[in-house]
Amino acid sequence: GAGVSQSPRYKVAKRGQDVALRCDPISGHVSLFWYQQALGQGPEFLTYFQNEAQLDKSGLPSDRFFAERPEGSVSTLKIQRTQQEDSAVYLCASSLRPRNQPQHFGDGTRLSIL
Amino acid sequence: QQPVQSPQAVILREGEDAVINCSSSKALYSVHWYRQKHGEAPVFLMILLKGGEQKGHEKISASFNEKKQQSSLYLTASQLSYSGTYFCGTEMNTGNQFYFGTGTSLTVIP
Repeated sequence: GAGVSQSPRYKVAKRGQDVALRCDPISGHVSLFWYQQALGQGPEFLTYFQNEAQLDKSGLPSDRFFAERPEGSVSTLKIQRTQQEDSAVYLCASSLRPRNQPQHFGDGTRLSIL
Repeated sequence: QQPVQSPQAVILREGEDAVINCSSSKALYSVHWYRQKHGEAPVFLMILLKGGEQKGHEKISASFNEKKQQSSLYLTASQLSYSGTYFCGTEMNTGNQFYFGTGTSLTVIP
């Protein structure tokens, strides 16, 4: 079956622009995670959805970051007024159920802010 | 909150064994292990649950010491395909955050 799909694969934006990153999880997966991965580092937790509910957004770095999953499937991570420190790979992962489940990752979106 | 892994890096010859350790300062509900190759997404290897149950699908074993909040990943008879960066990931007893460890770079050479 289809895996987790993320788009765009690469995004280049000028500082100050808004960007939107899309994640299409595996069909039927309840849980969805967003991570930020800087070069040479491990993924850092940003936010967690259970169906359409955003149960945890404690990892979002600032109020410029916003995520939604309105119908419990596709999710969008939006970054407003981008800054150079936002440059990273943004990974999305989904799992079948909350807790104790393997996370299936998309290939990520590599965001570069000029 | 981020678990600490050791060693940071290891180089093995094909067929050798390796152990990667993961230690958390917080009480854990479960520990996951993932492998990430350069430029690719992390790939699930194994979950270890409180109470000792393991879920995995590769010829890799692991342990979870709940009292010490530590986990170890055992790679035996390493193959070239084992090369990559290994991350542990932790679920806490409460909350929905998921924390990846500091990572261990493993290189297998012929």
